[in-house]
Amino acid sequence: KNQVEQSPQSLIILEGKNCTLQCNYTVSPFSNLRWYKQDTGRGPVSLTIMTFSENTKSNGRYTATLDADTKQSSLHITASQLSDSASYICVVNRGAGSYQLTFGKGTKLSVIP
Amino acid sequence: NAGVTQTPKFQVLKTGQSMTLQCAQDMNHNSMYWYRQDPGMGLRLIYYSASEGTTDKGEVPNGYNVSRLNKREFSLRLESAAPSQTSVYFCASSEEGSPLHFGNGTRLTVT
Repeated sequence: KNQVEQSPQSLIILEGKNCTLQCNYTVSPFSNLRWYKQDTGRGPVSLTIMTFSENTKSNGRYTATLDADTKQSSLHITASQLSDSASYICVVNRGAGSYQLTFGKGTKLSVIP
Repeated sequence: NAGVTQTPKFQVLKTGQSMTLQCAQDMNHNSMYWYRQDPGMGLRLIYYSASEGTTDKGEVPNGYNVSRLNKREFSLRLESAAPSQTSVYFCASSEEGSPLHFGNGTRLTVT
């Protein structure tokens, strides 16, 4: 069964600290993996995309990694800010079209002063 | 540039009532999607439209119908609402290879 598991479910960190969110998937075949950020009351917004051949990709303070052999990805947030408080969703695509997506349940991150 | 616009933002229905959720995008994307998001679950695809004039069922289509009115607009209809359809509904659009662009959702409660 195609699944995307994220951990932890929720996380509270102090402003300025770093954190790492995990995503394990059993989706097959694999086309790409995206991380989305969803602010409360808003729709998800794409942060980064990882394809099979990519190991690491950065987008500002966000760094995503992918290990296609172990089917694991992580999202590392550096020097967290209050505005990083959101849910982070891992999404795996089985093909070229966006109708073949499997969504994780998300990790809810709270950054406190 | 508004992106993806959904209306209404909130709606309360009684069981058995019908309603249509509206979605419009101004990015000239070919593909549009309807998802539902429930607590403790990942987003689930209800219906999608790969291009103007085509629609296909997603993972959870029962109880819903869709219309791709033109390239910009994709509506979702609940003919006879049930409490199990209480959810947050998201419309999204994309081009091949691009990320999904989501609206800000319609929060629907069915009593």
